[in-house]
Formats: sequence, C-alpha cells, structure tokens
Amino acid sequence: DARVTQTPRHKVTEMGQEVTMRCQPILGHNTVFWYRQTMMQGLELLAYFRNRAPLDDSGMPKDRFSAEMPDATLATLKIQPSEPRDSAVYFCASGEGLAGTDTQYFGPGTRLTVL
Amino acid sequence: AQTVTQSQPEMSVQEAETVTLSCTYDTSESDYYLFWYKQPPSRQMILVIRQEAYKQQNATENRFSVNFQKAAKSFSLKISDSQLGDAAMYFCAYRAPGGSEKLVFGKGTKLTVNP
Repeated sequence: DARVTQTPRHKVTEMGQEVTMRCQPILGHNTVFWYRQTMMQGLELLAYFRNRAPLDDSGMPKDRFSAEMPDATLATLKIQPSEPRDSAVYFCASGEGLAGTDTQYFGPGTRLTVL
Repeated sequence: AQTVTQSQPEMSVQEAETVTLSCTYDTSESDYYLFWYKQPPSRQMILVIRQEAYKQQNATENRFSVNFQKAAKSFSLKISDSQLGDAAMYFCAYRAPGGSEKLVFGKGTKLTVNP
C-alpha cells in the first residue's frame, strides 16, 4: 500500500532554532506539495515541485523558509530561524503530475510547536 | 484567484441518517477538478471523492455522493447511512486544469455523528 511518509510526526522546538521536515513521496510520483494547516488560515500551499524543480513557492516566507528536493525520493522543508507563529501542522502531498485527473495523496503531517 | 467557501463550520447527524455538506467556489475556468477530503482526529487527509467539471454525472463512492451544479458553482457532499467513523473535518478543494496544480481548500466543516 503506497503512501506518503513524513518525519518527524511531532516536533517541539524553541524560537530561533532550525527545523527540518522530511517527506518521501509515493514512488513514481513526480509532483510534491507542501501545505501548512493552522486554525486561523486553514490549509494553505507553501510550495510545490514537479520533477524536483520548484514551480511555485509564493506561499512561503522567503526569509526563513526553504524547500528542496535533493532527489526524487526526498523533499525537505526547512525553517531557520523558527518563530512561534510557525506552529502548525505541515503536510506533504504527492501526485503523478498527470494532466486531468491527478489526485494528491497526503502524508500524515508534522505537528510543529515553536515555544 | 479561485476561492472555496464552506459555509457550515459544524454539522451534526444521527447515526444511519443522511447529511449534506455545502461547498461553493469561484473560478473563471471552464474545466477544473473538485475534491472532498476527510480529516479524522488522526489528522490524516483522506480523499473521499472527486469530480471532473466536464462530467455532468455526479460522482459516487459507496455511501458518499456529490451534487455538482456547475452553473451555480456548487459542490455539495452527501453522506448516506452515516457511521460513527464518518466523524471528521471535511474539506472541499478546487484544482485548476493542468497536471501539477495546487489545491485550494475551503475552511472545512466539522461533522459530528451522534449514536
């Protein structure tokens, strides 16, 4: 049963520390999305990639957030330095990138708490 | 920009009864895709059902069906024979045509199923 995996599932850190979240997309999927979920904003897109190339990262605070795909099996989202307002659940999703009926499959999320 | 509105923050239903969750969206596209995702307390985002805008027939998946009204830009989810396991947050989402487009989510509806 193929699924998206994310690590860590929970992260508690102090303000100013660096946070790295990892995502392994479903094998064969060539699109990867990072979403953030908060009570106030709901689910919002931070960035997404196709064939490891960033297509849109306009939802990310550029000064502290960065997203990369070192290879086809790993996507990372890094926050440096972290702030309390970054506390949220971060979801990774992957898709086949097919025109038309492509569906995004979500990982279990990383719950980040910044103290 | 596309927007998705879920006007019911919370809904409740008796076990075995039917409930309908509302969703409206705004877009200037003629071809697009609509989704309902379920998020139980585990936080996992689970695809419930999807609809291609060019298809007039409403999508159905077991006890879940949609009422897609393209002209009204309405996409409601009907859950028949509600079960305790249906209790969750339900998110309506829109995706523009193309193979790697982001999902735009509504704010969600919290569904409670009463025994």
